[in-house]
Amino acid sequence: AQKITQTQPGMFVQEKEAVTLDCTYDTSDQSYGLFWYKQPSSGEMIFLIYQGSYDEQNATEGRYSLNFQKARKSANLVISASQLGDSAMYFCAMREPGYSTLTFGKGTMLLVSP
Amino acid sequence: DVKVTQSSRYLVKRTGEKVFLECVQDMDHENMFWYRQDPGLGLRLIYFSYDVKMKEKGDIPEGYSVSREKKERFSLILESASTNQTSMYLCASSASTQGPSTDTQYFGPGTRLTVL
Repeated sequence: AQKITQTQPGMFVQEKEAVTLDCTYDTSDQSYGLFWYKQPSSGEMIFLIYQGSYDEQNATEGRYSLNFQKARKSANLVISASQLGDSAMYFCAMREPGYSTLTFGKGTMLLVSP
Repeated sequence: DVKVTQSSRYLVKRTGEKVFLECVQDMDHENMFWYRQDPGLGLRLIYFSYDVKMKEKGDIPEGYSVSREKKERFSLILESASTNQTSMYLCASSASTQGPSTDTQYFGPGTRLTVL
C-alpha cells in the first residue's frame, strides 16, 4: 500500500504568490518523521524541511513552512512568495521508527511563471 | 557543508557490460543508500547499508549488488547491464539514530545511466 500520496502531478503559480503542495501519509505508528525535498532540473535532491510527529509547532524554514495536520495525516508544504527558481519537482517523504529508510511520494512538479 | 559526490553525472554503457557507480560522502555518516528514479515512479530504494560491509535489500534489488568496504564509500554494481536499467541513480547518506530524529538523507547529484 502506498504510504505517501501526492495527488497533484503538477502545479502552476505566479511569481510572488504562495502555493501549497499536498502530501498525505499512512502509518500506524505514533512516532515518525516527515520530509520535503526539492529536485530542480539538474537532478540533485535538496532537503527543504522536516516535521517530527511529536513536534507541537509547524516547521518553518525561511519561505518554506509545513502545514502539519496529524489527525488528517497530512503534511502540506507551503511556499510563500514564489520565485522563478522554485520551479522544480517536490517530493514528500516519511521515515518510520526503527528504520533508516525513507518512503517517497511520486512528486509534484511546480512551475512558477513571471 | 555536507557533501555527497557521485563518480559520474552521465554514463552510457552497452548491454551486458559490468557497471560500477561510486558514491562518496564526507560527513562520517553510518547509513548510505542507492535509489533509482524513473518518471511516474518516484524514487525507489535499491540497497542500503548501515555500516561497513553491511548491506540490506531495498524494494528493487534484482539485477544489482553493492559494496561498502569503507565507511565513506558505497558502490552500486550492475553485473550485466540491461536496457531496463536505464535510469537516474541517486546516492544518499544519513546519520544513524536509535529513535525518531531528523535523520535527514543528503543526496548526491545523481548519475544518468543509459544502457544501449
